[in-house]
Amino acid sequence: QKEVEQNSGPLSVPEGAIASLNCTYSDRGSQSFFWYRQYSGKSPELIMFIYSNGDKEDGRFTAQLNKASQYVSLLIRDSQPSDSATYLCAVSGFGNEKLTFGTGTRLTIIP
Amino acid sequence: DTGVSQNPRHKITKRGQNVTFRCDPISEHNRLYWYRQTLGQGPEFLTYFQNEAQLEKSRLLSDRFSAERPKGSFSTLEIQRTEQGDSAMYLCASSQDLVGGEQYFGPGTRLTVT
Repeated sequence: QKEVEQNSGPLSVPEGAIASLNCTYSDRGSQSFFWYRQYSGKSPELIMFIYSNGDKEDGRFTAQLNKASQYVSLLIRDSQPSDSATYLCAVSGFGNEKLTFGTGTRLTIIP
Repeated sequence: DTGVSQNPRHKITKRGQNVTFRCDPISEHNRLYWYRQTLGQGPEFLTYFQNEAQLEKSRLLSDRFSAERPKGSFSTLEIQRTEQGDSAMYLCASSQDLVGGEQYFGPGTRLTVT
């Protein structure tokens, strides 16, 4: 079983709609959760991080964490063509700061 | 505030040659990480430093790989006797010395072994 799982997509969403990206993780000791955006040929760019159960909002992005279900999600409101990218979910544990990544979800925003 | 920088950005080498990559972290960050990413996969952890101390190495890091951070500032990753399977993007990230500190990535070094 992979430690961090994401649907690889592609996920296609019309411009202006809400894109919903999901991630599950297997290690119950995971403490910190991150979402990175990666454009083709570029390096990952940190867009959101969340440490506590619940929602965290930053502009058009909302991260949601449910530790009991071992589930973290990212919502992108008012999706724009520039949001088309691969979104990587990453987790780290307490006292173990290395990031474990999923394989990423490829998101395409359709104008 | 400058971000993480990596050099070179691209490297093409022949099988069996040695290569060395450099990473300069964000100046106030004392943690530095190396990851490797192949097409269609997420980055995989290789090793990390806190200041000059190398605190963890992945099993992925064979004996041909070595990393250093001699003065707790920049780091180098050397691959000896390169193999075609070493072709990948090598990513460096840095973070502050905090639990769950956010890691910021450099632009990466794309290695192609022919």
